[in-house]
Amino acid sequence: EVHLLESGGGLVQPGGSLRLSCAASGFTFNNYAMTWVRRAPGKGLEWVSSVLGSALNTYYADSVKGRFTISRDNSKNTLYLQLNSLRGDDTAVYYCARGFPLAHFDNWGQGTLVTVSS
Amino acid sequence: QSVLTQPPSASAAPGQRVTISCSGSSSNVGSNTVNWYQQLPGAAPKLLIYTNSQRPSGVPDRFSGSKSGTSASLAISGLRSEDEADYYCAAWDDSLNGAVFGGGTKLTVL
Repeated sequence: EVHLLESGGGLVQPGGSLRLSCAASGFTFNNYAMTWVRRAPGKGLEWVSSVLGSALNTYYADSVKGRFTISRDNSKNTLYLQLNSLRGDDTAVYYCARGFPLAHFDNWGQGTLVTVSS
Repeated sequence: QSVLTQPPSASAAPGQRVTISCSGSSSNVGSNTVNWYQQLPGAAPKLLIYTNSQRPSGVPDRFSGSKSGTSASLAISGLRSEDEADYYCAAWDDSLNGAVFGGGTKLTVL
């Protein structure tokens, strides 16, 4: 059974940084692209970033480009998202999801909450 | 403003049928397949329909999807109270080189 478990969320001041992790199990991790999607309070889902299985190719939404960095450690079956220069509108639940091509995300974690506030 | 346009809300009585629309453009829905996600209150999103009309294992056949041109739709028949959720369409956008979601539709079962 596929299992994705996010961690690393919390309260951070504007301009601060945070690193999210997603521990994966139940499938061959390096065979799959992985993705971060977020949902801000009162708003809908927003694709944030994706990385292919090889980790050589990364993709970002314009809203986070230059501030967030996605990476993965296939030896640890773990996906990461480094969040820098955080702003209030980055406040959201961040979900880790398996998949990417054609917006096909077939398994999701339970999410981790990031709150950006002074 | 979301790239894909959905009605913010929909409602119907138990047992009835409801349809949720998703409107895009030639760079997303018009040239790529559409997926639908269901997010129950307090839960993570779940893949409901993929490649326009395919159901993952375990999704009841009460849920169906279709696509025509730059629009797609999700239909739910035999509505149940447990279908109350937010529903999102999603597709790849060739111009943005990324995935795009609709704004979501909150379904209320009356």
